[in-house]
Amino acid sequence: EVQLVEAGGGLVQPGGSLRLSCVASGFSVRNNYMNWVRQAPGKGLEWVSVLYDDGFTYYADSVNGRFTISRDNAKNTVYLQMNSLRAEDTAVYYCARDTRDGYKSYFDSWGPGTLVTVSS
Amino acid sequence: DIQMTQSPSSRSASVGDRVIITCRASQSINTFLNWYQQKPGKPPKLLIYASSNLHSGVPSRFSGSGSGTDFTLTISNLQPEDFGTYYCQQSYSTPVYTFGQGTKVDIK
Repeated sequence: EVQLVEAGGGLVQPGGSLRLSCVASGFSVRNNYMNWVRQAPGKGLEWVSVLYDDGFTYYADSVNGRFTISRDNAKNTVYLQMNSLRAEDTAVYYCARDTRDGYKSYFDSWGPGTLVTVSS
Repeated sequence: DIQMTQSPSSRSASVGDRVIITCRASQSINTFLNWYQQKPGKPPKLLIYASSNLHSGVPSRFSGSGSGTDFTLTISNLQPEDFGTYYCQQSYSTPVYTFGQGTKVDIK
């Protein structure tokens, strides 16, 4: 069974750092495209970052230069290192698997999410 | 960047109704359009991918259509468990993805 579980959220002061983790089971993160998506309280979904199977990474403009996505193949885990955090980064952060079927691309598995609160 | 606009923002409907949600892209995205359902406190669930393909395990009362810039999600015979917020997502401009702002469906 495919499963994703995020961890690492919490309360952090503005300007601080946090590292989120996403442990996968039932499939290998090294062979898949993995994403982070966030949702501010009461708001919609915002795509944050992607890590391709070949190591390519990409970020939303809102986090580019502050966030870094990476993975540990041995632990089958994807990470999101978040630096220089701002109040507007407050959100539930979801890890999602991006399945590719030819030219089709869709997020077919999601974790339950972890809450990040940036506040003094 | 491609912008996705959903309408309506909210919809109240009765059990058995047919509900149609639309999603418009700011430029043509072929059929690279996915639909998700989200319930409060839960992650989104994939319903439809590539405009009209029903994801495994999703009830057949859900259907999608459209290409280019205009897309629809139809829920036929609305059930009580279909309440929630529905999001469209474009996967045309990968690696950048964009979601619509969401449509909240509640049951009368």
